Amino acid sequence: AQSVTQPDIHITVSEGASLELRCNYSYGATPYLFWYVQSPGQGLQLLLKYFSGDTLVQGIKGFEAEFKRSQSSFNLRKPSVHWSDAAEYFCAVGANDMRFGAGTRLTVKP
Amino acid sequence: GAVVSQHPSRVICKSGTSVKIECRSLDFQATTMFWYRQFPKQSLMLMATSNEGSKATYEQGVEKDKFLINHASLTLSTLTVTSAHPEDSSFYICSASRGRGTEAFFGQGTRLTVV
Repeated sequence: AQSVTQPDIHITVSEGASLELRCNYSYGATPYLFWYVQSPGQGLQLLLKYFSGDTLVQGIKGFEAEFKRSQSSFNLRKPSVHWSDAAEYFCAVGANDMRFGAGTRLTVKP
Repeated sequence: GAVVSQHPSRVICKSGTSVKIECRSLDFQATTMFWYRQFPKQSLMLMATSNEGSKATYEQGVEKDKFLINHASLTLSTLTVTSAHPEDSSFYICSASRGRGTEAFFGQGTRLTVV
């Protein structure tokens, strides 16, 4: 069965600092992997996705993620965090009926 | 693009009544639609998968008689919460895809409050 683990429930970083959000997955075949961001009371916004090909994926808002099959990971990174990046981040796996991780709440300190 | 619209965005209903949430794919035909539920400060949980013209497939623990799903056309799926109770208050999100193995696109969600 497919599943996603986001080990960090809450992360706080200073504005301008780098960010890495962890995601580990379990999937029977080549996974389709996604990162979404959700602001309070809002829907989901797709940051980036991996289906195949280059394992380093570039997304919107300066985010990137790297697919590492050997580690079953798809960590999200950003070199310099902005205050507006504060939100909930979800990693998801699956082609259609996606399974979501528990989410990581990002707080950005001034 | 691939736009999915949900309506209403917010709804308040009285306990015991039913409420219908619509999910529309505006610019593509969605053979498959998915319904998720999100409790406050929690993740999205898949409730059911609906294929156009056939019965929905519900995830374990989801009451199919309480959460009625209809996918009568390639652009519309509806979720009806029947005899709603306060514990049904939640954020409901749909997604739609052109078919199995293709990317699904999400609606903006519906905040349901049962009083």
